[in-house]
Amino acid sequence: GQNIDQPTEMTATEGAIVQINCTYQTSGFNGLFWYQQHAGEAPTFLSYNVLDGLEEKGRFSSFLSRSKGYSYLLLKELQMKDSASYLCAVIRANRKLIWGLGTSLAVNP
Amino acid sequence: ETGVTQTPRHLVMGMTNKKSLKCEQHLGHNAMYWYKQSAKKPLELMFVYSLEERVENNSVPSRFSPECPNSSHLFLHLHTLQPEDSALYLCASSQEGHTAGNQPQHFGDGTRLSIL
Repeated sequence: GQNIDQPTEMTATEGAIVQINCTYQTSGFNGLFWYQQHAGEAPTFLSYNVLDGLEEKGRFSSFLSRSKGYSYLLLKELQMKDSASYLCAVIRANRKLIWGLGTSLAVNP
Repeated sequence: ETGVTQTPRHLVMGMTNKKSLKCEQHLGHNAMYWYKQSAKKPLELMFVYSLEERVENNSVPSRFSPECPNSSHLFLHLHTLQPEDSALYLCASSQEGHTAGNQPQHFGDGTRLSIL
């Protein structure tokens, strides 16, 4: 079947580093997205991985291992405004997106 | 001007009412989507329009009726809704095509719908 797993909730401290994991099982893989969604707002695009390895974009990095069906989003130098839900979405071979439930991150002072 | 705009932001309606949700994108994209977001559930894709033609309808009840008059506008017409239809309805757009690759979808802020 099609399945994406992410932790439901995480907490971290301002200034720290946090890693949000995503594991997936899909029939065919054509890429993976990470989105950020603040409460009551639109999901916003953070990163895209299609090849194995690390993609770095400022304080945020995303890693992919296709053989392990695994990705993570790494957030460095955490700020209070990073408190949000982080959604992992996999693009199947037929170009359809499968979404995870999202990980709610709380950043504490 | 924001990329994807949805109106209204909040809507409360009775089960016998008829209302419409509106979405407008200012990004020049050629595909538009309706999603339903409920608590403790992943985003559920409802409808996809590509070049103004409906290309996907994921077994959505007929009380939801989409309309895409042009590539910039998308509507979701609602009638005789049920309490379980209360959710956040998100609109998104993207650029699709062979040369576009896997382009991310851009979302609006959504309409929070409550059915009484």
